[in-house]
Amino acid sequence: SQQGEEDPQALSIQEGENATMNCSYKTSINNLQWYRQNSGRGLVHLILIRSNEREKHSGRLRVTLDTSKKSSSLLITASRAADTASYFCATESSGGSYIPTFGRGTSLIVHP
Amino acid sequence: DGGITQSPKYLFRKEGQNVTLSCEQNLNHDAMYWYRQDPGQGLRLIYYSQIVNDFQKGDIAEGYSVSREKKESFPLTVTSAQKNPTAFYLCASTPGPAGETQYFGPGTRLLVL
Repeated sequence: SQQGEEDPQALSIQEGENATMNCSYKTSINNLQWYRQNSGRGLVHLILIRSNEREKHSGRLRVTLDTSKKSSSLLITASRAADTASYFCATESSGGSYIPTFGRGTSLIVHP
Repeated sequence: DGGITQSPKYLFRKEGQNVTLSCEQNLNHDAMYWYRQDPGQGLRLIYYSQIVNDFQKGDIAEGYSVSREKKESFPLTVTSAQKNPTAFYLCASTPGPAGETQYFGPGTRLLVL
């Protein structure tokens, strides 16, 4: 079963624009992670946010977490063509097995 | 270089054949995981191992088997009982068993002839 669900499924923007993707989940979590996957490759960890945190930054990435709404968002500012990839959220449920559960991902295309 | 390696990159399976996918890590991580990824789907957990000589079934273990005889190695066998094996298989590891960032290998694409 999938805990996190990303929205939108696909996003197409121009270089320089900001890209926002969202993740909603159903049960309480210990932490939420965002990963990136280039086509045909493995996943690369981007950022982890814990349940007691509300916002984290890493370079051009900004992640927010709203535990009352059970949702998170990933913002990529000033996007580049090299940001074209699929982005997944993974949630670790509290009281669970500590194994993260992945959503279906958002496919981002950044046009040069 | 430290990391996770998977081999082969592409693997072809004939009907009724068992095939084994390799996953090796030199990160000295305790836990290792196998995921299956189908087009348009997220990652689904097949098996995981948090310590040598011990492993647990994930959400879709039927038709698969694993072993964990060494800390650095976690091979996955796709048996003939897995009727729809065509997918992208990803191996991952974490330093410990809980609440950790996962490090992924490059993946193996399995195709049925």
